[in-house]
Amino acid sequence: QPVLTQPPSASASLGASVTLTCTLSSAHSNYQVDWYQQRPGKGPRFVMRVGTGGIVGSKGDGIPDRFSVLGSGLNRYLTIKNIQEEDESDYHCGADHGSGSNFVWVFGGGTKLTVL
Amino acid sequence: EVQLVESGGGLVKPGGSLRLSCAASGFSFSNAWMSWVRQAPGKGLEWVGRLKSRTDGGTADYAAPVKGRFTISRDDSKNSLYLQMSSLKTEDTAVYYCTTDNINRPLDYWGQGTLVTVSS
Repeated sequence: QPVLTQPPSASASLGASVTLTCTLSSAHSNYQVDWYQQRPGKGPRFVMRVGTGGIVGSKGDGIPDRFSVLGSGLNRYLTIKNIQEEDESDYHCGADHGSGSNFVWVFGGGTKLTVL
Repeated sequence: EVQLVESGGGLVKPGGSLRLSCAASGFSFSNAWMSWVRQAPGKGLEWVGRLKSRTDGGTADYAAPVKGRFTISRDDSKNSLYLQMSSLKTEDTAVYYCTTDNINRPLDYWGQGTLVTVSS
């Protein structure tokens, strides 16, 4: 099954841009990855799915146009432009693998985004 | 509007049991596949298990750490999902979320979670 790696923290100033990275294990370069936003004390919210060709399907409900994704090699990126205070959250990436009794969802460790 | 509301969390001793519930609304629950995902304090997300809709077989798959101890079930007449947890360990301490988990889809919708604390 894939292993997803995320840096534990990131920061950006109000109004600036930031790119968060989720790195797949080397044998899983063709996997799509889902990004989730988790505000403090809340449940996660689906942001969007990304493959090597970019976004797959539609954004999650209420996700603003400031959020975009790219995929390249083993990396799946989430970029946030014109950062707002409400973007301060933990961002998790996840991917599904296998089928039947071998099915599993795997997640990265999450990146805590601080808005300065 | 899709809503998922978990309940049933609390403090339980190691070796004990607990049943969590998830009340769903705003979508066709009987056709939905559903998952439970947990998050230990200060940690990342960990998938617990998934239950298919009855029309797709109604079978469940579980993560290795909980297989044989946890059971996921559903009552479509009540639009409710359940997680029966037994032989609980301290490492099961976490906030437990229910999510929609339809085939080839992301985990589109999540509840607010319910905290389970396993401690003597």
